[in-house]
Amino acid sequence: AQRVTQPEKLLSVFKGAPVELKCNYSYSGSPELFWYVQYSRQRLQLLLRHISRESIKGFTADLNKGETSFHLKKPFAQEEDSAMYYCALSVRNAGNMLTFGGGTRLMVKP
Amino acid sequence: NAGVTQTPKFQVLKTGQSMTLQCAQDMNHEYMSWYRQDPGMGLRLIHYSVGAGITDQGEVPNGYNVSRSTTEDFPLRLLSAAPSQTSVYFCASGRTANGNTIYFGEGSWLTVV
Repeated sequence: AQRVTQPEKLLSVFKGAPVELKCNYSYSGSPELFWYVQYSRQRLQLLLRHISRESIKGFTADLNKGETSFHLKKPFAQEEDSAMYYCALSVRNAGNMLTFGGGTRLMVKP
Repeated sequence: NAGVTQTPKFQVLKTGQSMTLQCAQDMNHEYMSWYRQDPGMGLRLIHYSVGAGITDQGEVPNGYNVSRSTTEDFPLRLLSAAPSQTSVYFCASGRTANGNTIYFGEGSWLTVV
């Protein structure tokens, strides 16, 4: 079965510092990877998907199939980036159901 | 267009009580699902539905029941609440189950004492 691991429960950085939220997955095939963000007391919303290779709110994520990783990066963190971030994976033979990692809370200090 | 609407937002239950969390979507989505969110464990799928009249179990279905009599509604029933069911519950819907198309509700905070 597929699995998503986010090794850091909490990541605290100062404003303007670079940020990298780690995500590793286990799946032998070709999954789709996503990053979701949840701001305080709000609903989850899609931030990034690996297929589109886009940059959203300054965040980027590259799928590294060799290392089975999909780390989320931003060169200069902002206070408004403080939120809970979830990495998720979906695979076709599991009905495209999403499997989530445990989440990383990002705190950006002024 | 309200999106995905969950009620109630907050609820306190006593052990053994039953209750229903409501979820409604107005986007004509075929796929609907319920997740629970617990610290350090992310979101875990409880039950899902790929269309009216069709439901299936997710990763953690025990103690929960669902039905899908209409496309719009997907209620989650707690049959006999236990403290282990204290959690935040999210309903989600989408054209498909694919993460590209999923929309989440605002969450329901449930405490079982």
